[in-house]
Amino acid sequence: TQLLEQSPQFLSIQEGENLTVYCNSSSVFSSLQWYRQEPGEGPVLLVTVVTGGEVKKLKRLTFQFGDARKDSSLHITAAQTGDTGLYLCAGHIYNQGGKLIFGQGTELSVKP
Amino acid sequence: DSGVTQTPKHLITATGQRVTLRCSPRSGDLSVYWYQQSLDQGLQFLIQYYNGEERAKGNILERFSAQQFPDLHSELNLSSLELGDSALYFCASRAGEGSGNTIYFGEGSWLTVV
Repeated sequence: TQLLEQSPQFLSIQEGENLTVYCNSSSVFSSLQWYRQEPGEGPVLLVTVVTGGEVKKLKRLTFQFGDARKDSSLHITAAQTGDTGLYLCAGHIYNQGGKLIFGQGTELSVKP
Repeated sequence: DSGVTQTPKHLITATGQRVTLRCSPRSGDLSVYWYQQSLDQGLQFLIQYYNGEERAKGNILERFSAQQFPDLHSELNLSSLELGDSALYFCASRAGEGSGNTIYFGEGSWLTVV
């Protein structure tokens, strides 16, 4: 059973397009993170959201935490080829301490 | 460079064998996590240690064990290896357990079981 459902699993778009990746769960999270992973490397943290309804922006990336802290989204505006990679959401389940659970990931390919 | 060091980077071994993967966390980080990443399963949480004590357990097989030593480095032992154990094994560390503490990942150890 996947606690964190990420969609879509694969996304192929043209440079300049916008996209949104979703991360959903029936569990409440004390915090939720988004990572990006390059082939052969470990995941690198992009952002942490903690408060329900929180919105954080990182240049062209906008991250939102759902009001109930059960879901999150990552929106990329005007995608660039350099955005290509695996995007992972991960969450600390409320009252389960340090355990960090990952979604399956979204493989994004941005074509020139 | 995340500051988390994992060795070896690549390992090829035969079924039935035993291997040990080593992790040195970031300086001062008390918490160590182990994850397994395979193509069909994604990143699976195995186990977490905090200051030498086991804190949380995930989908870790009985053939696998881990420990964190007084100097805070950690080892993941994989025994009676099967073909399906081939995967990328990540170690990650974190300063504390508060929500604001970032988890930093190492570059992983590629294990191939033949």
